[in-house]
Amino acid sequence: GAGVSQSPSNKVTEKGKDVELRCDPISGHTALYWYRQSLGQGLEFLIYFQGNSAPDKSGLPSDRFSAERTGGSVSTLTIQRTQQEDSAVYLCASSLPRGAGAKNIQYFGAGTRLSVL
Amino acid sequence: AQSVAQPEDQVNVAEGNPLTVKCTYSVSGNPYLFWYVQYPNRGLQFLLKYITGDNLVKGSYGFEAEFNKSQTSFHLKKPSALVSDSALYFCAGMIGSSNTGKLIFGQGTTLQVKP
Repeated sequence: GAGVSQSPSNKVTEKGKDVELRCDPISGHTALYWYRQSLGQGLEFLIYFQGNSAPDKSGLPSDRFSAERTGGSVSTLTIQRTQQEDSAVYLCASSLPRGAGAKNIQYFGAGTRLSVL
Repeated sequence: AQSVAQPEDQVNVAEGNPLTVKCTYSVSGNPYLFWYVQYPNRGLQFLLKYITGDNLVKGSYGFEAEFNKSQTSFHLKKPSALVSDSALYFCAGMIGSSNTGKLIFGQGTTLQVKP
């Protein structure tokens, strides 16, 4: 597609339920990032994928959070047993690989707004 | 620790006046610095970046930013503000030698341009 696509755009869930957030990056972008935007914490890095592997998971806040990427394309961020503090906007970004003359620009999707009741 | 700071939560300017949105950084190694803009219910849109070279960087929509190594700053500027520039602006940094390229963001500054 022309840009980074995220779905759903909004998700309301009950505390304790599991949720899956999807990101479809720009075609040809091998690098993929997840960030979280919340009122209290601002914009925080969660995880980085290069291809299907995740060499940097340092931003995942707890073991309830996991992510995978298949086929070097679509990524899914899963939050298990959601808590109210998980309420935030989850943003996905993609870029060309480092050193590819990519100028290191990350292109962002519109995000998924997660509300945990 | 690496950090990026935007000291102003909000900046108010009149349309047609010059605007400045401030950013300072603390990033080890050679910093890569970025400005993004976010409109309501939208993702972040890239405005401009500093990697190396000229300290004055020109970007989209008439915005520019000046990299100042001695002051560790990367302020965003525009000579003449438009009402449509009203949005949330984020400064971000990346460690140049980082293998991951993850961004560290400032807290964001809301720019309000009044007619």
